[in-house]
Amino acid sequence: DVVMTQSPLSLPVTPGEPASISCRSSRSLLDSNGYNYLDWYLQKPGQSPQLLIHLGSNRASGVPDRFSGSGSGTDFTLKINRVEAEDVGIYYCMQTLQTPHTFGGGTKVEI
Amino acid sequence: QVQLQQSGPGLVRPSQTISLTCAISGDSVSSNSVGWNWIRQSPSRGLEWLGRTFYMLSKWNYGYGLSVEGRITINADTSKNQFSLQLHSVTPEDTAIYYCARWKHEEKYFDYWGQGTQVTVSS
Repeated sequence: DVVMTQSPLSLPVTPGEPASISCRSSRSLLDSNGYNYLDWYLQKPGQSPQLLIHLGSNRASGVPDRFSGSGSGTDFTLKINRVEAEDVGIYYCMQTLQTPHTFGGGTKVEI
Repeated sequence: QVQLQQSGPGLVRPSQTISLTCAISGDSVSSNSVGWNWIRQSPSRGLEWLGRTFYMLSKWNYGYGLSVEGRITINADTSKNQFSLQLHSVTPEDTAIYYCARWKHEEKYFDYWGQGTQVTVSS
C-alpha cells in the first residue's frame, strides 16, 4: 500500500493569515499522463469529508480560490491564502493512483 | 444534486455481521462513470477505504481493501437504487464510523458522501 504522511499534526492559525499543510507519499503519484493522483479533503466538525482539490492542484466546484494545491511526485502542499473561521477542521490528503486508496493521518486546523 | 442516505444498526455483536445500506438519489447505481464505495474512520486506523462496486462493460465489478478482503461483500440493488456493505466476523477493532461515497472514475475523486453511521462492535 502507498503510505501517506502529513505534517504538521496540528496547525493553530490566525484568521487572515496564510496556512500550509504538507503531504508526502511513499511512492510517486505522478502518472505517465502527467497527472498527479492526489486529492485533498476537509472534514469539518461533525461532518463527512468534503473534496477540496483533485489531481494535485484542481479545485473542486464551489471551493473558494483561497485554497490551492501544489507539488508533484511524492511531495505535495495545500495552502490557504487567508484563513477564515469556517476553514477549521481536519485536512486529509489521499492518493488515487491505485487501490487501496490511502489517506494521510490528517492535520487539525484550529483558530 | 446527488444524495446518499445511510441506514443500518449501530451496535453489532462480536463474530456477527455489520450490514449497512446506502440509498442513492440523483444518480443511478448502474451509472457507467462512477463507483460506489465504503470507507470507515476510527481513532486507531484513521480513514480507511474498504471497497467499491461499479457497473462497467455490462457487468458488476468489485474491488476490496486487503485489510478486510475475505470478510467484506459490497452489493448493488438496481431495483432500489442502493448499495450495501456486509462485513463478516467482526471484532471490536471494526468499531468505526462507516461512510458510503461516490467515486468519479475519470476525475478520480470522492465527490458525494453519506452522513456516516457509527457502528460499535460489543457484546
